[in-house]
Parts: sequence; C-alpha cells; structure tokens
Amino acid sequence: QITLKESGPTVVKPTQTLTLTCSFSGFPLNSNPEGVGWIRQSPGKALEWLALIYWDDDKRYSPSLKSRLSITKDTSKNQVVLTMANMLPVDTGTYYCAHGGLAGPYGDRVNWFFDLWGRGTLVTVSS
Amino acid sequence: QSVLTQPPSASGTPGQRVSISCSGDSSNIGSNSVSWYQQLPGTAPKLVIYKSNQRPSGVPARFSGSKSGNSASLTISGLQSEDEAVYFCAAWDDSLIGFMLFGGGTKLTVL
Repeated sequence: QITLKESGPTVVKPTQTLTLTCSFSGFPLNSNPEGVGWIRQSPGKALEWLALIYWDDDKRYSPSLKSRLSITKDTSKNQVVLTMANMLPVDTGTYYCAHGGLAGPYGDRVNWFFDLWGRGTLVTVSS
Repeated sequence: QSVLTQPPSASGTPGQRVSISCSGDSSNIGSNSVSWYQQLPGTAPKLVIYKSNQRPSGVPARFSGSKSGNSASLTISGLQSEDEAVYFCAAWDDSLIGFMLFGGGTKLTVL
C-alpha cells in the first residue's frame, strides 16, 4: 500500500526559502519506473505542477518556477524534499506530493501521471 | 507557457451523461496522454483516468475518457450525486525538456 505525507512549516515570511518534505512508503524510489512529484493549489484555484524526480535522479521543473525550485530524494529515508526560494504571498496555498505512474514506454520522461496523492500541507506566506 | 483549457462549469441531473472537455495543442495533448483528476471539497485530488482512457482500479465504470487530436474529454455516464466535484485534466508538454500542465478545472454540479 502506497502512502505519502507532506510536512513542513505552515507559515513562512516573504523572501524566505520554503522546505517541504514528502515521506512515503510502499514503493522503492530507486526502482525503474518510479517518481514523486509536487503540485500546489492556491485557495480556490487550479492545480499547478511544480516538479518531478525520477528513480534515477533525473528531474523536471515547471519552467515558470525553475529558478526558484529544487527537488531531491533520499531513498534511505524514503523522503523527497522540495525547496522553493524567495517565497511571496502569491505562493500561499496547499502543497501536495504525489506518486508518479508511467503511461508510456520504459524510459519515457513525459507521459507520467499521479496515481496517489498525499493529503497536502497548507503554507501561508505572510510577514 | 502552454495551457489546457476547460470550461469552468458543467451540470447535469442524476442519471444523465455529462462530458467535460480539455483543449490543448500539438505539443501537449496532441503528442502525449491525458490524465483526469477528481477533487471533492476539502480533499486531495484523486486520479480517475490515465493514459487518456484507462480507469484505475476502484474507479466506477461510469467514468470514461477519450482523446482526439489536440483535445480530450471526460465523460460520466449515469451521473450520481457523489460525482459533484471539480475535475482537472493534465498532460505533459514536449516544449523545452518537458513539463506537466493542468487545466483550469471544471466544477461539476449535480442538479
């Protein structure tokens, strides 16, 4: 059974760096094909994809946020960490981590979907 | 950056068939598979369709998906009250080295 849980600060100040941890169980992130992604949602708004890390440490980032994001994994701890620099009030929202599933052939780096999600963690950016 | 376009709202009565559209372009839906997510109020999104037309185990058969050209659709046949939710489509875009896009979401109301 796959589970994921997000953790991190509930409030960060403007210009600070946000660090979120996704703790997961039920799959080995170092096996092909596995991946974990981060998605956020501003209050009342649409989902916004942030980043995805693959089993082999390859990574993809949202082009509009790439300069501010970093995603890493620690397979010994079953954790994926997302950092986002220079947080602003518009970054307020719920941040989800999710297990990636491959919809294409082995080796495909696109055609991924998210089959299981954590419950999300609400982050407020305020001074 | 490309976007996936969904109607902001849709509605139907119990038992009806409802479709939600998702429009993209040749670099995303036209090239890659589509996934659909259901979000009930106050909860995390749940996958209901992947690979454009595949249902995960546990998702009722009344949910189906299709894709044609640069557009995709989610259809719910035999609408039930518990289907009232926001639905998001998603697809990867081949621009740059690849990134994922979500649609703006469609609020489905069961009348």
